[in-house]
Amino acid sequence: AQSVTQLGSHVSVSEGALVLLRCNYSSSVPPYLFWYVQYPNQGLQLLLKYTSAATLVKGINGFEAEFKKSETSFHLTKPSAHMSDAAEYFCARPNQVGSQGNLIFGKGTKLSVKP
Amino acid sequence: DTGVSQNPRHKITKRGQNVTFRCDPISEHNRLYWYRQTLGQGPEFLTYFQNEAQLEKSRLLSDRFSAERPKGSFSTLEIQRTEQGDSAMYLCASSLEEDYEQFFGPGTRLTVL
Repeated sequence: AQSVTQLGSHVSVSEGALVLLRCNYSSSVPPYLFWYVQYPNQGLQLLLKYTSAATLVKGINGFEAEFKKSETSFHLTKPSAHMSDAAEYFCARPNQVGSQGNLIFGKGTKLSVKP
Repeated sequence: DTGVSQNPRHKITKRGQNVTFRCDPISEHNRLYWYRQTLGQGPEFLTYFQNEAQLEKSRLLSDRFSAERPKGSFSTLEIQRTEQGDSAMYLCASSLEEDYEQFFGPGTRLTVL
């Protein structure tokens, strides 16, 4: 079955430190991969998406992610964390079973940023 | 505002009552999705529409749940005889056909007492 695994339900970094949020996909190579961010009591906002055009993808707010087929990974990084980055982050892939176009999400990683 | 909107944003109800949520997608998007998100989990797919046709329902969508998109524009999600286990955030998303990128609304948080 297709799935997305996010390692670490909670990551805590200091302001200015590197942010690394991990995502691995299973089963077939997806045509797309997404990272979404969710602030408390809000919907999901797209951070970036992989579409096979380039393995290194740059997104909003200084985030980027690298698609590595050999590692079945799509980890999210940011060189220097800001307090405003504190939120929950979700990795997602399309469900390619049947006619469904829905997304399959990981369980999320909550990022805390310490002053 | 041209984004996805959902109403109400919050709903508190007593067990056994019926509730209905509304989603207005981005106007040119012909696909509309409903997801449910419980605490500590990612969104889980419930159902989706292409125009007015409901094309897929997940097994999470019990008989107490029904969704409609009568004119291919806005959609409603109704839950009958609510149970405490229905407490969750209900998210709506829309997309263009054949485009995997989905745009999400702010969600409706349901609390069943």
